[in-house]
Order: sequence, then structure tokens, then C-alpha cells
Amino acid sequence: EPEVTQTPSHQVTQMGQEVILRCVPISNHLYFYWYRQILGQKVEFLVSFYNNEISEKSEIFDDQFSVERPDGSNFTLKIRSTKLEDSAMYFCASSGYKANEKLFFGSGTQLSVL
Amino acid sequence: GDSVTQMEGPVTLSEEAFLTINCTYTATGYPSLFWYVQYPGEGLQLLLKATKADDKGSNKGFEATYRKETTSFHLEKGSVQVSDSAVYFCALSEKGGSEKLVFGKGTKLTVNP
Repeated sequence: EPEVTQTPSHQVTQMGQEVILRCVPISNHLYFYWYRQILGQKVEFLVSFYNNEISEKSEIFDDQFSVERPDGSNFTLKIRSTKLEDSAMYFCASSGYKANEKLFFGSGTQLSVL
Repeated sequence: GDSVTQMEGPVTLSEEAFLTINCTYTATGYPSLFWYVQYPGEGLQLLLKATKADDKGSNKGFEATYRKETTSFHLEKGSVQVSDSAVYFCALSEKGGSEKLVFGKGTKLTVNP
């Protein structure tokens, strides 16, 4: 079965630094998402992306966050100035013809902000 | 806002035991309901779903029935295997509105031989 790939699997950064988390969604999918899970808490929605623009974002997704699909295959999440509370597992997901019909998730990037 | 509450884990069972993982939800409308599963080292994957009241989703021996009157979507399996060891997430999605999935915390299941 096709899969969503995320790199790196672990990322350690210093507070205040910029990080870029990378994802390669399934090639014919149209909807793209980022979710995150802080240790011991629920998986939380960050942003959805369709037709080369953000279609929905949560209140977590403030000006420090941005997403991009730079080349038609990669989908990136940038955090401009990381905070301690950004430490979490970040999941990328994609779906085919209809939003939320069936999401395919990557295995996640564990971000640790020191 | 919408929310999902799952039973706290971890859950440890012996092979062939009966499994129930409770899930209840609050939502303003009539959401679609999902169970996702995450095997070790992998991403979440859709296990089953139900889109309206009294629908039963089923896959790989797992079942869950959409109960509007109790706002529940409990996951069950009659006889678990060691390979079912994973984290199970209940989730909802409002129809015709937000694209986001609202997840529970996840329940870790370990099945011992």
C-alpha cells in the first residue's frame, strides 16, 4: 500500500531556532494535513491544505507556523522560532478525493526543543 | 467544542481474550466516527468508520457501532491476537463543516501470548 513518509524521525533543536519538518504525501492525494501530539495528550489538528492554500487552521497554528508544498511532492511544516512547548510528535497526513474520507498518516517526527 | 473521550490505558490482555475500548463523544451535529490504529514504528491508519447512527464499522475482526443515544462508538473484538498490540485512537469529524479530525488520547493495547 502507498505510504506517507516523514523526515527526520527525530529532530532536536534549541529554543528560538527554526525547524522544518518534511513530508512526502501519497502522490495522487489532494488534501494534506499536519497534526501533533504532545506527550500524554490528545492528537491535535494544526492545519489542512488543499489546492495550494491553507483551507483550515487551528488556534495553535499561529504566525510562528507555516506550511508549503514547494515542488508538488513535498509538504513542509516550518516553525520559525521554536518554544519549549512545541516539543511533540508531529504527524503529516494526506487523503484522496474527499477531505477526511480516509487519512493516511506518516510515522511522525519527534521534535524536542531544548 | 467537539471532543472525544477514550478509556484510559494501558490495556493488557491475553491472546484470545475479548476486547472493549470505550469511546464517547460530544458534538454539536451528527459527526462521522472513526477508529485509527498505530502499530509500533508506523503511522496511524484507519481501522474502521461509521457515518450515521446505528451504522456498524468493521475490519480485521474489530467492530464498532455508532450509538447516537449514548454518544458512543466502542471498539470490540471477540478474540485478540498478539499482532493486535498497538495504540487505538477514536476520532470524529463533523460532516459538511470543518475538515479536521478530533481525536481522543489513544489507548495502548498489549496482547500477551
